[in-house]
Amino acid sequence: RKEVEQDPGPFNVPEGATVAFNCTYSNSASQSFFWYRQDCRKEPKLLMSVYSSGNEDGRFTAQLNRASQYISLLIRDSKLSDSATYLCVVNFARGSTLGRLYFGRGTQLTVWP
Amino acid sequence: EPEVTQTPSHQVTQMGQEVILRCVPISNHLYFYWYRQILGQKVEFLVSFYNNEISEKSEIFDDQFSVERPDGSNFTLKIRSTKLEDSAMYFCASSDLGQGVNTIYFGEGSWLTVV
Repeated sequence: RKEVEQDPGPFNVPEGATVAFNCTYSNSASQSFFWYRQDCRKEPKLLMSVYSSGNEDGRFTAQLNRASQYISLLIRDSKLSDSATYLCVVNFARGSTLGRLYFGRGTQLTVWP
Repeated sequence: EPEVTQTPSHQVTQMGQEVILRCVPISNHLYFYWYRQILGQKVEFLVSFYNNEISEKSEIFDDQFSVERPDGSNFTLKIRSTKLEDSAMYFCASSDLGQGVNTIYFGEGSWLTVV
């Protein structure tokens, strides 16, 4: 069972472009949602949490639709440094456990000059 | 910025050998985790640990694996009798809260190659 599904890409865009990533998750009881960024052979790093009301951090905008179990990330004015793999991540905790993060396989983005 | 540190960064071991991966979580964090990522695949949860005991473990975390907090700072993952399919990047992580929207911080990973 694939708890989190993402379009693997790759997305190849020029600098300055706007690019959107989508993600769906299977467990309707999931509690929190994130976008992480992972550079090649590096650790995942939190890009932003995702809230039902939608949230923005500079050039990045994230949206969550709980009814459709759908998460999105929009990157405006892409920079070369945005080139990375973007991971959709969902947290689910059963009972009194700490919860675990479920990762998508990631969407690869390359921004070219 | 405080960080999670892991050693070794890379280890090559022969099949059947035991491996210990070490982690120093962020000092005021109480919740610790191990995740792994096989090359080209997604990051997968292995185990969470709180108050000196396992909180939850995944189906991957079988009797071959164990975790320990031997002192006040280290958090270790032991893999007994390694198999070829254990080759992966192992990430240690820690957080100050176990649930909700708290941030989980990942270490840079230990790359394990089993030959």
